[in-house]
Amino acid sequence: NAGVTQTPKFQVLKTGQSMTLQCAQDMNHEYMSWYRQDPGMGLRLIHYSVGAGITDQGEVPNGYNVSRSTTEDFPLRLLSAAPSQTSVYFCASSPSATNEKLFFGSGTQLSVL
Amino acid sequence: ELKVEQNPLFLSMQEGKNYTIYCNYSTTSDRLYWYRQDPGKSLESLFVLLSNGAVKQEGRLMASLDTKARLSTLHITAAVHDLSATYFCAVDKRETSGSRLTFGEGTQLTVNP
Repeated sequence: NAGVTQTPKFQVLKTGQSMTLQCAQDMNHEYMSWYRQDPGMGLRLIHYSVGAGITDQGEVPNGYNVSRSTTEDFPLRLLSAAPSQTSVYFCASSPSATNEKLFFGSGTQLSVL
Repeated sequence: ELKVEQNPLFLSMQEGKNYTIYCNYSTTSDRLYWYRQDPGKSLESLFVLLSNGAVKQEGRLMASLDTKARLSTLHITAAVHDLSATYFCAVDKRETSGSRLTFGEGTQLTVNP
């Protein structure tokens, strides 16, 4: 059972480049979410989804897009990367939209130069 | 806007000692979570507290929730080096579109021999 799988683990981008962070879970969880972690700021919610075809914005959604075409996958897209998006990104899932404990992926460390 | 504050942010303690980490939050919620993060690693769920007066214990850690005071505590008993990590509390703000977790900044715990 792989749990929550994130790829890539590390990524360096130039300002203005686009990329997609991948997240997949094999636990048939309804709820999936993306967080960013910056030093001294805890984790901040970017976007979340309560099921396939349903997404909503979190606390810091600007500069990021998401979609949820399947239950398993919840990719995070950076359309035009900025240095302010340098961070560690975590994907997390839980069984239902009422948000029982979250299962986290291993994280993606992103640097934007 | 929901705010979650942890204190202390940094804690250095000796093995064998007891200490408490505090988590205060600003708006009504009856769900609170504690997570542990080891350096460079992902987050691991420790406790889910679902009602006023809830108390959960696992080994040397005990968490409690007082929803009227908007306060949760994580008590460490007879600390050991293996407990060195960053501990986060997170509060659930239920929206019509699903749950949204707001995390505290984290408490970096170092247990010294």
